[in-house]
Amino acid sequence: GAGVSQSPSNKVTEKGKDVELRCDPISGHTALYWYRQSLGQGLEFLIYFQGNSAPDKSGLPSDRFSAERTGGSVSTLTIQRTQQEDSAVYLCASSLVQGDTQYFGPGTRLTVL
Amino acid sequence: AQTVTQSQPEMSVQEAETVTLSCTYDTSENNYYLFWYKQPPSRQMILVIRQEAYKQQNATENRFSVNFQKAAKSFSLKISDSQLGDTAMYFCAFMIIGTSYGKLTFGQGTILTVHP
Repeated sequence: GAGVSQSPSNKVTEKGKDVELRCDPISGHTALYWYRQSLGQGLEFLIYFQGNSAPDKSGLPSDRFSAERTGGSVSTLTIQRTQQEDSAVYLCASSLVQGDTQYFGPGTRLTVL
Repeated sequence: AQTVTQSQPEMSVQEAETVTLSCTYDTSENNYYLFWYKQPPSRQMILVIRQEAYKQQNATENRFSVNFQKAAKSFSLKISDSQLGDTAMYFCAFMIIGTSYGKLTFGQGTILTVHP
């Protein structure tokens, strides 16, 4: 079946603009995770969804970052007033249930000029 | 807090040979999973192998096998009969079972290059 998909593949934006990153998990997967991959910080956990609820937002780096999930499926990660340090690859993963193996999407490369 | 350490930033191997990537981790938890993921230049993270900490038997998947030493908190990946398509960055990752909502903690990665 179809894997995790993310859009856009690449996004270039100007400092101060808002961006939205989208993730479509594998159908039927209840758990969804966002990670950020950057040169300086490696791979970092951002947020976890179980269904439409986000019981763990501990990795969000600032209040400029927010995320939602609707219908237990698609998730959107929003970054407001982007800064240059937000430049990174944002990876989404889903798993059948919490604690199961996670399958990753191809990521969105965000560049903030 | 859990930490995962991959001490080899880069490795190289000749096609058809065997290579071992190292990973150590630190945790006070007893129930967890360990993973190796592969990330080729296409950026897609691909699961290579998974090991449950409660299992003594080392996991294997075709040419990929692990050496899991729970007491030493070591989890190395052996790739046999290396192929050009194995060229990628490899990440070791750790997940606590039952708490922390299943989030993964990753090592810094090892870039593996397979030469013809």
